[in-house]
Amino acid sequence: GAGVSQSPSNKVTEKGKDVELRCDPISGHTALYWYRQSLGQGLEFLIYFQGNSAPDKSGLPSDRFSAERTGGSVSTLTIQRTQQEDSAVYLCASSPLASGIYGYTFGSGTRLTVV
Amino acid sequence: AQSVTQPDIHITVSEGASLELRCNYSYGATPYLFWYVQSPGQGLQLLLKYFSGDTLVQGIKGFEAEFKRSQSSFNLRKPSVHWSDAAEYFCAVLTSGGSYIPTFGRGTSLIVHP
Repeated sequence: GAGVSQSPSNKVTEKGKDVELRCDPISGHTALYWYRQSLGQGLEFLIYFQGNSAPDKSGLPSDRFSAERTGGSVSTLTIQRTQQEDSAVYLCASSPLASGIYGYTFGSGTRLTVV
Repeated sequence: AQSVTQPDIHITVSEGASLELRCNYSYGATPYLFWYVQSPGQGLQLLLKYFSGDTLVQGIKGFEAEFKRSQSSFNLRKPSVHWSDAAEYFCAVLTSGGSYIPTFGRGTSLIVHP
């Protein structure tokens, strides 16, 4: 596609439920990143994919968070047993090179609200 | 590890006035440097980037930034601000030979008065 697509754009879920957030990166982009942006905060790194592998998962806040990427393309971020502190905007970005030196193209994000 | 500081949380300017947003980084070597803009409800859009060479880089929407090694700074400038420039601005650093994970500053919110 022409850009990075994220779905859903908004998600309201009850505390304790599981949610899946989807990211469709630009076709052919090797690197894929997930970030979390809380109200008034900067970007918190979650996980980085190079192709289908995730060499850096250091940002995942707890074992309730997991992510996968298949076919070197679509990625899914799963949050199990959601908590209110998980409420945030989840941003996905992709880059043509693994190194990311040419910059990143971001999606519009998924706004997650846990009630 | 690298770090990025954007000292100003909010900046207010009048339309037509000049703008400078500050960014300082901490890293032993010359990093790759980026400025992004985020409009409400949108993702981040790349304004400009610095790799090496000319320390003054031009970007989209009339923005420019200057890399100053001696000050470890990469400040964003625009000579005349438009109301549509009101947004959140993020500086980011990527180290060479590092982990490929960029570090973003906390952001500066730009408010433009008519």
